[in-house]
Amino acid sequence: GAGVSQSPSNKVTEKGKDVELRCDPISGHTALYWYRQRLGQGLEFLIYFQGNSAPDKSGLPSDRFSAERTGESVSTLTIQRTQQEDSAVYLCASSLASKNTEAFFGQGTRLTVV
Amino acid sequence: AQRVTQPEKLLSVFKGAPVELKCNYSYSGSPELFWYVQYSRQRLQLLLRHISRESIKGFTADLNKGETSFHLKKPFAQEEDSAMYYCALKTDKLIFGTGTRLQVFP
Repeated sequence: GAGVSQSPSNKVTEKGKDVELRCDPISGHTALYWYRQRLGQGLEFLIYFQGNSAPDKSGLPSDRFSAERTGESVSTLTIQRTQQEDSAVYLCASSLASKNTEAFFGQGTRLTVV
Repeated sequence: AQRVTQPEKLLSVFKGAPVELKCNYSYSGSPELFWYVQYSRQRLQLLLRHISRESIKGFTADLNKGETSFHLKKPFAQEEDSAMYYCALKTDKLIFGTGTRLQVFP
């Protein structure tokens, strides 16, 4: 089947606007992860879901960031009142819940705040 | 706290030279460790996992619980190995190190 799909691929938005990033995981994958990757830097953990629940939201940078998941499927990451420092590639990954399983990554959404 | 440390941002070698990409982790439980690779313009993908004790594309990684390390090694680097390499620790969540860019020169 299809891999992890993220949309849009690219998003340019004006400072202060809200944006929604979408992730469609592989069907049957109960674990879903969001990461932020700034230019030239590593993967910064944001949040993960087990089913529709998010046990750990500690990685969200501020209260402008939120995420939800429905139907143990699609997830959306919302950034309110975007700032220039939010510019980055946002990556989503999904995996089965069992031990030592591989996480499959989407191609990312490149967000540019101007 | 759970943490993954990759001390080298950039590692440059010539083709045929041995390579070792360092990874240290901090976790009090039984770790699940992985190496992921990102080739230019491609998605991040799994290279190998410690549980499998496998060799992929000539790379191996041994878990050393005493030193809390999971270094990635290859005896003879190839130009096509040039990529970003990320060490990852899975507990309840999956966290990554900051990555090491490997450059293999001809």
